[in-house]
Amino acid sequence: EPEVTQTPSHQVTQMGQEVILRCVPISNHLYFYWYRQILGQKVEFLVSFYNNEISEKSEIFDDQFSVERPDGSNFTLKIRSTKLEDSAMYFCASRRTGESGQPQHFGDGTRLSIL
Amino acid sequence: AQKVTQAQTEISVVEKEDVTLDCVYETRDTTYYLFWYKQPPSGELVFLIRRNSFDEQNEISGRYSWNFQKSTSSFNFTITASQVVDSAVYFCALRPLSGGYNKLIFGAGSRLA
Repeated sequence: EPEVTQTPSHQVTQMGQEVILRCVPISNHLYFYWYRQILGQKVEFLVSFYNNEISEKSEIFDDQFSVERPDGSNFTLKIRSTKLEDSAMYFCASRRTGESGQPQHFGDGTRLSIL
Repeated sequence: AQKVTQAQTEISVVEKEDVTLDCVYETRDTTYYLFWYKQPPSGELVFLIRRNSFDEQNEISGRYSWNFQKSTSSFNFTITASQVVDSAVYFCALRPLSGGYNKLIFGAGSRLA
């Protein structure tokens, strides 16, 4: 069964550095998402992306964050000037087009640790 | 407000017992979707089920069953004859169709041990 793939599985970065989290969505999916989960807390929506542009973003997704689909397969989340509170699990998700109730399928996540 | 409440933070269950995980949601939308995801100790999020707001039929899939009651804004999840493999955090999520057609609003999760 096709799946969403995220790399790396764990990223350790010094505070203030930039980090890029990578995702390969399921190949026939056209809606892409990033969520984050601070340890022990709920999963929070960050941003959705469709047709090469952001369709919705949360208050968390400020100027520090950006997303890109640099080619036909990858979907990236860039965090500039990382802060300690950016430490979390970051999940990429994708879904098919068509009926809006199609489930979002999640990758295994990237655990980001900011030192 | 759009909100999902999972009041049971942690639930202990003895193997082979049944357990019900509660989910209560708030939305002003008349059309919305509800989902359950499982997060095992390995950390990934696994889709279990979705339900749209017009379909109040209960569903059974193996040892899993779901009870959607629009009148009480609840979408509860029952595991029958629980097994060790069921140990995980279970998240209920709401997808309203107004104010953005995209995001999932998650509850805080219920840890089943």
